[in-house]
Amino acid sequence: DQQVKQNSPSLSVQEGRISILNCDYTNSMFDYFLWYKKYPAEGPTFLISISSIKDKNEDGRFTVFLNKSAKHLSLHIVPSQPGDSAVYFCAAVAGGTSYGKLTFGQGTILTVHP
Amino acid sequence: DAGVIQSPRHEVTEMGQEVTLRCKPISGHNSLFWYRQTMMRGLELLIYFNNNVPIDDSGMPEDRFSAKMPNASFSTLKIQPSEPRDSAVYFCASSLRGTEQFFGPGTRLTVL
Repeated sequence: DQQVKQNSPSLSVQEGRISILNCDYTNSMFDYFLWYKKYPAEGPTFLISISSIKDKNEDGRFTVFLNKSAKHLSLHIVPSQPGDSAVYFCAAVAGGTSYGKLTFGQGTILTVHP
Repeated sequence: DAGVIQSPRHEVTEMGQEVTLRCKPISGHNSLFWYRQTMMRGLELLIYFNNNVPIDDSGMPEDRFSAKMPNASFSTLKIQPSEPRDSAVYFCASSLRGTEQFFGPGTRLTVL
C-alpha cells in the first residue's frame, strides 16, 4: 500500500531547462509535504517543504506546487544545473510539522546533462 | 559542525549473526529516526524516538529487530539473528522540529 507515489523512476533534462518532478498521494490526512535530495553514498538532505494551507512555496531555483484536490505535488527546478543530478524523494506527514513520521515515495533519479 | 554520525558505514555478515548499527544524532535534536532503504520498498521508517522514548515502532519488520536510545546522544538498531533479506542501507536521522530531518550517511548492510 504505497501512500506516496513517484511514478517516474527517472528524468533526464538539459542544463538550463526546467525539471519537473511529480508526486501523488492517497492519504487525505497528509497535511505537510517535503522534498529531499539524495546523492550517492550520502543520506537524503532536506530541500523544500509546503504546508497544505498553501499551494506554492518557492526557494531560489526550487518551487513546490501542491494541488490538494488532485492529491498531487510537483517540484520545479529552474534553471536545472548538472549539480542537481540526484535522487529526489517526496515525503508526506499527517499531523503537521511537529510529528515526524514521514512517508516517502520511491524516488526519481534526475540527470541534468551539460 | 558535525552532522548525524553512523557506524559502521559498511557491514558484511553471515546469516544468523547479530548486527548492531550505531547512530549519534546532532547535538540538541530531540527526535531520532531509523529508516531502511531497499530497491523494492524504497525508504521506510522503522522506528521514531522523541526525547529518547520510542513513539512509533510500527515499521519494525519483526521481533528480530530492536532499537534503543539510552541517552540523547546515542542510539542502536540491532538485528538478531540477521537474514539475507535484511540487506539494505539503514539510515539514522535526527530533528529538532519533527519533519525537517537531518540524515546520516547510512550503513550498507549485506547479510550473506
